[in-house]
Amino acid sequence: GQNIDQPTEMTATEGAIVQINCTYQTSGFNGLFWYQQHAGEAPTFLSYNVLDGLEEKGRFSSFLSQSKGYSYLLLKELQMKDSASYLCAVRDSNYQLIWGAGTKLIIKP
Amino acid sequence: ETGVTQTPRHLVMGMTNKKSLKCEQHLGHNAMYWYKQSAKKPLELMFVYNFKEQTENNSVPSRFSPECPNSSHLFLHLHTLQPEDSALYLCASSQEAGGPNIQYFGAGTRLSVL
Repeated sequence: GQNIDQPTEMTATEGAIVQINCTYQTSGFNGLFWYQQHAGEAPTFLSYNVLDGLEEKGRFSSFLSQSKGYSYLLLKELQMKDSASYLCAVRDSNYQLIWGAGTKLIIKP
Repeated sequence: ETGVTQTPRHLVMGMTNKKSLKCEQHLGHNAMYWYKQSAKKPLELMFVYNFKEQTENNSVPSRFSPECPNSSHLFLHLHTLQPEDSALYLCASSQEAGGPNIQYFGAGTRLSVL
């Protein structure tokens, strides 16, 4: 079966750096997505990786290793507004999106 | 504002009621999706419409009935639901179904079935 694993919950301190990991086992691979979802709000697109390596976008970076079935989202200079759930999703060989259950990130002052 | 609007934002219904969820996208996209989001579970894809044609029905019970009158509007008609159907229902759209297209989501309808 297809599976996406990510930690259920993480806690970090304002101003620090946090890395949210995502491992996947899917039927084929056509890209990996990260979304941010604040409580009661729409999931919003953060990043898309289809090639191995690091993609940097401001305070957020996303890394992909296809050979290891692994990605991480790196958040720097954490702000209170970064408290949210972070969803990892992989597009499989049929272009279906397979979703993880999300990681709830709690930022403390 | 994601360009995808869902109404109502909250809905409470009894098991014998009939209600409809509405989704509208202002992004000029051709594909629209319904997802179910339950606490601490992955998003579950329910239905996909591509150019107004239903291309995916992920074994969804018939008490959920989708309708896509045009590429900008998507409805989910609900009848004789069960308490386990209580969840957040998310609508999304993308340029087309499949391919490297990014999906844009609405804020969802929080449904409670009593």
